[in-house]
Formats: sequence, structure tokens, C-alpha cells
Amino acid sequence: DIQMTQSPSSLSASVGDRVTITCRASQSISSYLNWYQQKPGKAPKLLIYVASSLQSGVPSRFSGSGSGTDFTLTISSLQPEDFATYYCHQSYSTPGTFGPGTKVDIK
Amino acid sequence: QVQLQESGPGLVRPSETLSLICAVSGYSINSAYYWGWIRQPPGKGLEWIGTISHSGSSYYNPSLKSRVTISVDTSKNQFSLKLSSVTAADTAVYYCARTYVYYPFDYWGQGTLVTVSS
Repeated sequence: DIQMTQSPSSLSASVGDRVTITCRASQSISSYLNWYQQKPGKAPKLLIYVASSLQSGVPSRFSGSGSGTDFTLTISSLQPEDFATYYCHQSYSTPGTFGPGTKVDIK
Repeated sequence: QVQLQESGPGLVRPSETLSLICAVSGYSINSAYYWGWIRQPPGKGLEWIGTISHSGSSYYNPSLKSRVTISVDTSKNQFSLKLSSVTAADTAVYYCARTYVYYPFDYWGQGTLVTVSS
């Protein structure tokens, strides 16, 4: 199985801050990396797919980059509705493993 | 609009079989795509359980493979999950979702909590 790691595991930020979350795969996954946002009691919501493609309806303040083993999710200006947990997910091979998550909360 | 809805017992006894159904609306399950199950233990992260194609080709997480069966019923536009010999470690919110080869999970059900307890 491909192992996914994320850093940091949690962060505190203020509205308007630029936030960057990192995801690393244990082997190359090309660009088959996806990012999800999950709020308490809700299903994950797809934000970014194939590393940098913005899912329809997702605000442009979210962006993704990377290829191979190292990827980042950036929120350019954090909004109140962005406080949530973010997961990366590789869809390069089965099983499609998820990262452990990064919780973004209010400073 | 594609919608998925999980259903099934919220409580399962240890050693028994967990059975869930995911009903799909707004899209014909027979057309294309793969259909998958993901679970999330309380307070923990997401675990990929497995996927199945519209034609019935299935892929399972090796950690669960001996206990998992995913099947599709195109006549009812739904797919199902069976997990046998459950223990407390299988207590989780179970999600169904749509995917494809190299593709993310783009549509998700709301999730259903299954508790394993006597």
C-alpha cells in the first residue's frame, strides 16, 4: 500500500491568513492526488483533484500543486467557513489511501 | 444531480455480518464509473474499503479483503457492502461514494454510523 502523510497535523490560523498544508506519498503517484474538506458530522467534500484541478463550485482561494511524492494545498485567504479538517487521498493505485488529516482551527 | 444514500442497521453484534446498501439517484449506475465504500471510525481518519465497477469488477483493501464483499444491483440502481465477522474495531461511519480509475470520490452519501456491540 502507498502510505500518505500530512503536515502539520493541526494548525491555528486567523481569518485572512494564507494556509499551506503538505501531503507526501511513500512512492510516486504521478499527479493522482486529491484533497477533501470535512466538517464535523458531514461527509468529505472534494476540493482539488489530480493535484491542481479545482472541483466545480469550489472557491478559487483553494489551490493545489505538486507531482510525484510531494503535494500542497493552499488556501490563499482563510474564510470562516474554511475551518475544517483536510485530507489528501491518492487515487494512483488501490487501495486508495488517505492521509491522516490536518485540522484547521481558529487562532 | 447525483445523490447517494446509505441505509442499513445502526447496530451489529460482534461476529455477525454488517450489511449496508447505497441507493444512487440522478445517475444510472449501469452507465459508467466505479462505486465505493469508505469508513471513518469515531474521531479518526478515512479508510478506503473497496470499489466496484458497473460491470461488477471489484477491488478491496487487503486489510479487509477476507471479510468484505461489494456487489452491484443495476436493476435497483444501488450497490451494497457486506463485512463479515465484525468486531468493535469495525465501528465507524460508513460512506458510499462515486469514483473511477485514477479518479477521486466526487459524490458522497451523508454517511451512516454502524456500531458493533453486544
